[in-house]
Amino acid sequence: QQQVKQSPQSLIVQKGGISIINCAYENTAFDYFPWYQQFPGKGPALLIAIRPDVSEKKEGRFTISFNKSAKQFSLHIMDSQPGDSATYFCAALYNKLIFGAGTRLAVHP
Amino acid sequence: KAGVTQTPRYLIKTRGQQVTLSCSPISGHRSVSWYQQTPGQGLQFLFEYFSETQRNKGNFPGRFSGRQFSNSRSEMNVSTLELGDSALYLCASSLGGQNNSPLHFGNGTRLTVT
Repeated sequence: QQQVKQSPQSLIVQKGGISIINCAYENTAFDYFPWYQQFPGKGPALLIAIRPDVSEKKEGRFTISFNKSAKQFSLHIMDSQPGDSATYFCAALYNKLIFGAGTRLAVHP
Repeated sequence: KAGVTQTPRYLIKTRGQQVTLSCSPISGHRSVSWYQQTPGQGLQFLFEYFSETQRNKGNFPGRFSGRQFSNSRSEMNVSTLELGDSALYLCASSLGGQNNSPLHFGNGTRLTVT
């Protein structure tokens, strides 16, 4: 039981809007939850990460909300910009990093 | 500090051949992990090496193998290539001392099997 489910598959947001991506996990042994951003032709880059003893972490326009009891976590991108257009992956770690399926975000000007 | 370097960037091979991909981790990083990325299956974990030993392994057939050298550089080998092995192969390095040290990815090797 090491699956990480991510939604939505794709997301279109207007410039200045809020982008929200959700993930759910099954294995309660996961102890580290990073988000990665991937641009075409590039490898995933670590964006922000959280540990299960924290309910929220904010770095600039990016915020992770974590609900341990519901086994869910989400990424919020405030004031979304066209440069944020990329594929976002949530992940969970216990011995190995398990990725969600990814969300393709398009921010329209 | 230089990032994770993967070579080559692109490879075209014929079914049945074998291929070796190379990864140079960030200086000081002792753990190297390999992932396969495809549109259908997403990012799937292949294996992780730490101090020249395989520490974790994903659910891939034995045709996929790897190794790590004393300088932490790693290679991944795929034998008897199949069409379905066409993918972006990503290498990631981390300090590796504890489970939650961040993974830093290279830009991958795009393998096409014809």
